[in-house]
Amino acid sequence: AQKVTQAQTEISVVEKEDVTLDCVYETRDTTYYLFWYKQPPSGELVFLIRRNSFDEQNEISGRYSWNFQKSTSSFNFTITASQVVDSAVYFCALSLNTGGFKTIFGAGTRLFVKA
Amino acid sequence: SQTIHQWPATLVQPVGSPLSLECTVEGTSNPNLYWYRQAAGRGLQLLFYSVGIGQISSEVPQNLSASRPQDRQFILSSKKLLLSDSGFYLCASRKDRPYGYTFGSGTRLTVV
Repeated sequence: AQKVTQAQTEISVVEKEDVTLDCVYETRDTTYYLFWYKQPPSGELVFLIRRNSFDEQNEISGRYSWNFQKSTSSFNFTITASQVVDSAVYFCALSLNTGGFKTIFGAGTRLFVKA
Repeated sequence: SQTIHQWPATLVQPVGSPLSLECTVEGTSNPNLYWYRQAAGRGLQLLFYSVGIGQISSEVPQNLSASRPQDRQFILSSKKLLLSDSGFYLCASRKDRPYGYTFGSGTRLTVV
């Protein structure tokens, strides 16, 4: 069975601090896809990044970076120099290449960035 | 790019009443469609998904049903709502490649 674990329920930081959101996944499939989504207070989820199981390159996009490590089944997300607008719930998710490409989400991590 | 329309945004319904939530997709054809529910302060639970017209897969046994009468229309229904049906319902769309989902703005349902 597939599973995504986000052990951090809530994180609170002060603006300009760096913060890392942890994600650990479980699957027996060799082909899979990992995602991060952001859910601001408005409620609509916004896609941030996708990574496939064959590409372990880390990625950086502005203040966001992602560290994918198959050896530890982790896909962690770091926000550098956090801003108040980063306050949201962040979801890590796992999708397989079968079964309608349905996606399993972690429980989410609520990030509070204080000014 | 895809756009998903969901309505209503907020709904308060009494226990035992019926439910119909509609989701329509623009900007794509033959997408995979999904209904998720998010209970207060919790993660997203996949309820149903559809890979084509009339094709519905249910992920959890429950009081709800789904239908896909048209390519870009996905409906979530219930004949009699329970208190436990309260939550935030999100419709999502994806083409048959494993790209990220596009989500609708959601419906916040409160059953009283």
